[in-house]
Amino acid sequence: AQSVTQLGSHVSVSEGALVLLRCNYSSSVPPYLFWYVQYPNQGLQLLLKYTTGATLVKGINGFEAEFKKSETSFHLTKPSAHMSDAAEYFCAVILTDSWGKLQFGAGTQVVVTP
Amino acid sequence: DADVTQTPRNRITKTGKRIMLECSQTKGHDRMYWYRQDPGLGLRLIYYSFDVKDINKGEISDGYSVSRQAQAKFSLSLESAIPNQTALYFCATSEPGEGRELFFGEGSRLTVL
Repeated sequence: AQSVTQLGSHVSVSEGALVLLRCNYSSSVPPYLFWYVQYPNQGLQLLLKYTTGATLVKGINGFEAEFKKSETSFHLTKPSAHMSDAAEYFCAVILTDSWGKLQFGAGTQVVVTP
Repeated sequence: DADVTQTPRNRITKTGKRIMLECSQTKGHDRMYWYRQDPGLGLRLIYYSFDVKDINKGEISDGYSVSRQAQAKFSLSLESAIPNQTALYFCATSEPGEGRELFFGEGSRLTVL
C-alpha cells in the first residue's frame, strides 16, 4: 500500500504566486514527515521535517509545511514563488516500526513561469 | 568536497555486464542506504545498512547486492545488468535514532543497453 501520496506530478506557478504542494500519508500513527527538494543534476536536500511539537514547520528558502493529523496531510507552501524554486519536490515519511526507513512519494515537478 | 560521494556519476553499460556503484561518506554516520529513482515512482529503497555488520534488503533488492567495506563505504553491485535497471541511483547516510534526516549523494546515472 502506498504510504505517501503527492497530488499532482507537475505544478506550474507564476513568479510571485503561492506555491502549494500536497502530501498525504496513510498511517494510523503519525509518522515522521519530511519534504526534500531536488534541483537538476543534484541529490536531494532537506527542506524541512516534522517529528514532534509544533505542527507548523518552517524550512529553508521560505518554505513551510503544516502537519494536520485529522487530515493525514503535510502540505508544503511558499507565499511567493521565485524562479530558483523550479525543482522536483518529494514528500517522505518514516513510519513507526519501520526501523527508520524513509519512504518517498512520487514527486512533484514545479515549473515557475515569469 | 561533498560529504557523500558517489562514483561513477554516469555509466553506460550493456546487458549482462557486472556493474559496481560506490559510495563513500565523511559524515561519520553509521547508517547508509541505496535508493533508486525512476520518473513517476519517487525513490525506492534497495538496501540499507545500520552498521558494518548489519545489512538489510529494502523493497526492491532483487538483482542487486551490496557490500559495506567500512563505516564510510557502501557499494551497490548489479551482477548481471538488465535494461530495466536503467535509473538514477542515490546513496544516503543518516545518524541512528528516530526521525533522522538522510543526507544524499549527487547520484549515479546508470544506463543499461
